[in-house]
Amino acid sequence: QSALTQPASVSGSPGQSITISCTGTSSDVGGYNYVSWYQQHPGKAPKLMIYEVSNRPSGVSNRFSGSKSGNTASLTISGLQAEDEADYYCSSYTSSSTLPVFGTGTKVTVL
Amino acid sequence: QVQLVESGGGLVKPGGSLRLSCAASGFTFSDYYMSWIRQAPGKGLEWVSYISSSSSYTNYADSVKGRFTISRDNAKNSLYLQMNSLRAEDTAVYYCARFVGEGEYGDYWGQGTLVTVSS
Repeated sequence: QSALTQPASVSGSPGQSITISCTGTSSDVGGYNYVSWYQQHPGKAPKLMIYEVSNRPSGVSNRFSGSKSGNTASLTISGLQAEDEADYYCSSYTSSSTLPVFGTGTKVTVL
Repeated sequence: QVQLVESGGGLVKPGGSLRLSCAASGFTFSDYYMSWIRQAPGKGLEWVSYISSSSSYTNYADSVKGRFTISRDNAKNSLYLQMNSLRAEDTAVYYCARFVGEGEYGDYWGQGTLVTVSS
């Protein structure tokens, strides 16, 4: 199972909004509402930010939102803050494997 | 609060074995699926395996199938990963995570344990 495709890097200034894409196929992202997003700061464990496309776990800022259109899921960070600088990974259920599949990861830089 | 603490990582020679453990607390361990995820140095995340709440159902990545075995002891609130025939490409930080089977995601993660396979 190939990894989902994410841009290697996305950047923005404080206060701006950025969007990270996660592109798959109809066998994963496009076929099921089982896309999740994780934030990982350097040297730290990943943290769940979004599950089932657009749901936020308790305690996650409402500046983070998720959506999906066709075979592409998106994570939007609004009101960008310095603390949002991290790596972000998407993950999706896939009918092509017995395990979910991660995206390639995106490094977010706050300018 | 939910806490997951991995242990058992270290340096092992190619072909060797290692057993990772994950101690869980703050939730009813026996009610949840659990999983292992790994991250090679400077690389992305990879789902390795997950196990159902009663151990009746397990799944593995093709890259570890036949070499790794996931198990759990609900009485001890512990998750395990037995890793045999280790290869250099198994070098990674291994995370345990509580796995929500219905949505296929990990909602709580441990801090990870480093496994290095090298001669």
